[in-house]
Amino acid sequence: AQRVTQPEKLLSVFKGAPVELKCNYSYSGSPELFWYVQYSRQRLQLLLRHISRESIKGFTADLNKGETSFHLKKPFAQEEDSAMYYCALSLSGSARQLTFGSGTQLTVLP
Amino acid sequence: DTGVSQNPRHKITKRGQNVTFRCDPISEHNRLYWYRQTLGQGPEFLTYFQNEAQLEKSRLLSDRFSAERPKGSFSTLEIQRTEQGDSAMYLCASSFPGGRNTIYFGEGSWLTVV
Repeated sequence: AQRVTQPEKLLSVFKGAPVELKCNYSYSGSPELFWYVQYSRQRLQLLLRHISRESIKGFTADLNKGETSFHLKKPFAQEEDSAMYYCALSLSGSARQLTFGSGTQLTVLP
Repeated sequence: DTGVSQNPRHKITKRGQNVTFRCDPISEHNRLYWYRQTLGQGPEFLTYFQNEAQLEKSRLLSDRFSAERPKGSFSTLEIQRTEQGDSAMYLCASSFPGGRNTIYFGEGSWLTVV
């Protein structure tokens, strides 16, 4: 069965510092990987997906099939980036059923 | 707000009672999903509808759980004979196939079983 692991429950960085949120997955096929974000008192929302190879709010994530990782990175963290971040996986050919990691709470300190 | 709407937002019930949650997806979204989220964990998939057809069900969806989407619009999730272990946030989401097929989540319905 597929699994998504986010090893850090809590991560604190100072404003302007680089940030990396780790995500590893286990799945033998070709999954789609996503990062979702939940800001305080807001609903869960899509941040980015690997197939788009996009940068959203300065965040990027590269799928590394060899290491089965999809780490989220931002070179200069901002206080408004403080939120809960979830890595998620969708099986190829599925109806977009998502398997989520347990999340990382990012706090950007002033 | 034209996003996914869920109600009630909070429900406290006694063990053994039945509860029902409603989800109104984004208009024209024909795909609808239910997830469950417990404290400290990410959301877990429960079930998926395409229009009125329930196409996927997780093993987490025990016999006490039933979901319906009778006219392919809103959906209900009923939990019968609630147990304390059912205490969780129940999230609904919807999407429209094609294009980016982004899944949009509602704010969730908190269930506390006492």
